[in-house]
Amino acid sequence: DIVMTQSPDSLAVSLGERATINCKSSHSVLSSSNNKNFLAWYQQKPGQPPKLLIYWASTRESGVPDRFYGSGSGTDFTLTISSLQAEDVAVYYCQQYYTTLFTFGPGTKVDIK
Amino acid sequence: QVSLVESGGGVVQPGRSLRLSCAASGFTFSDYGIHWVRQAPGKGLEWVAVISYDGSNSYYADSVKGRFTISRDNSKNTLYLQMNSLRAEDTAIYYCARDGIHGALDIWGQGTMVTVSS
Repeated sequence: DIVMTQSPDSLAVSLGERATINCKSSHSVLSSSNNKNFLAWYQQKPGQPPKLLIYWASTRESGVPDRFYGSGSGTDFTLTISSLQAEDVAVYYCQQYYTTLFTFGPGTKVDIK
Repeated sequence: QVSLVESGGGVVQPGRSLRLSCAASGFTFSDYGIHWVRQAPGKGLEWVAVISYDGSNSYYADSVKGRFTISRDNSKNTLYLQMNSLRAEDTAIYYCARDGIHGALDIWGQGTMVTVSS
């Protein structure tokens, strides 16, 4: 199985400042057939189900604000929130869908400083 | 409106069985693979199982293989998860989620809570 790790476990950022979350996979999730990274990011607010933010490592899902930015390739990925808003307080998970057995990272909690 | 609605959760004793359902609406259910993902209280997300659009293929996490069975009835737009030999560590919120055209999980239900306790 592909193991996903995230760092940091949590972070607190001032409103309007940048938040950066890192995700690493134990195996490359870059497909040679379509040159796409099978990596997604989800946001989960308390008491709610996860919400898809980013797929293919860098493509925003419809309706997701452009302050959310995904980057990286192969085994190393980053989710950046360019200007943190109060409504962005949540836990963020990366997930690989390169293999049939999906795996999630442990999550990163984002709070307001 | 595209939606998934889970049901069937509850409190069950260790070793017993439970069947969860996930009702789909607002999209052509038979076109999509569907997953079960669970979340233990205060913990992260754990992928559980997936079934292909036509039910011909299914895959499981090692933690549930041999105990859980995923199935679907496309005539009823419904997904199921039969959970046998339940353990305390199966206690979690169980979500069903749609496999989007890009492969990521684009639609999630609100979840149903399963508590395994004597």
